[in-house]
Amino acid sequence: GAVVSQHPSRVICKSGTSVKIECRSLDFQATTMFWYRQFPKQSLMLMATSNEGSKATYEQGVEKDKFLINHASLTLSTLTVTSAHPEDSSFYICSALGGTQETQYFGPGTRLLVL
Amino acid sequence: QKEVEQDPGPLSVPEGAIVSLNCTYSNSAFQYFMWYRQYSRKGPELLMYTYSSGNKEDGRFTAQVDKSSKYISLFIRDSQPSDSATYLCAMSAESGGSNYKLTFGKGTLLTVNP
Repeated sequence: GAVVSQHPSRVICKSGTSVKIECRSLDFQATTMFWYRQFPKQSLMLMATSNEGSKATYEQGVEKDKFLINHASLTLSTLTVTSAHPEDSSFYICSALGGTQETQYFGPGTRLLVL
Repeated sequence: QKEVEQDPGPLSVPEGAIVSLNCTYSNSAFQYFMWYRQYSRKGPELLMYTYSSGNKEDGRFTAQVDKSSKYISLFIRDSQPSDSATYLCAMSAESGGSNYKLTFGKGTLLTVNP
């Protein structure tokens, strides 16, 4: 139980384009999901907290107009990187709060490369 | 001082060894403590979840929490090459709700050599 999926697993795009990443809780409902970014050999950095049916809460230093988050249902949250630049290249990981233990279950991550 | 400190390693041990991984923290409000395992280019996988002080055992893994010292540990017995991964400690003050947030250590890279 407590499986979280992400799609796509890997994406390469040109600078200036937008990329959407989906995060789904497959076997439980998640009112709260989280988006993280992880650079090589670094820990996870929380970008934003996404609550179903309301606006996301962004961490300090994260541009909400650049990283658009939508949590339209109890099993789906999306992160859209708008006007992507090479410095946005990173490993983006989502997590969902829930399951039998009220903690975060992580997706497999999406590797974004912006050329 | 960072909220959570974790030695990034790398830590290299022979197969069958007992591995000890540790984190210290400064926020006395933390009550929930987790260990995640992250293989290269994958998302973190929850290994252990404990509340407050004490020990918890699950197979070859034992988690210990000492709130008085603000110190948590993960022990791996009879380590296997498949245990080679980055181990992240994480903690929170809440178990859910609007203030819930996980604070992570930097992770310790473990290699178990056959």
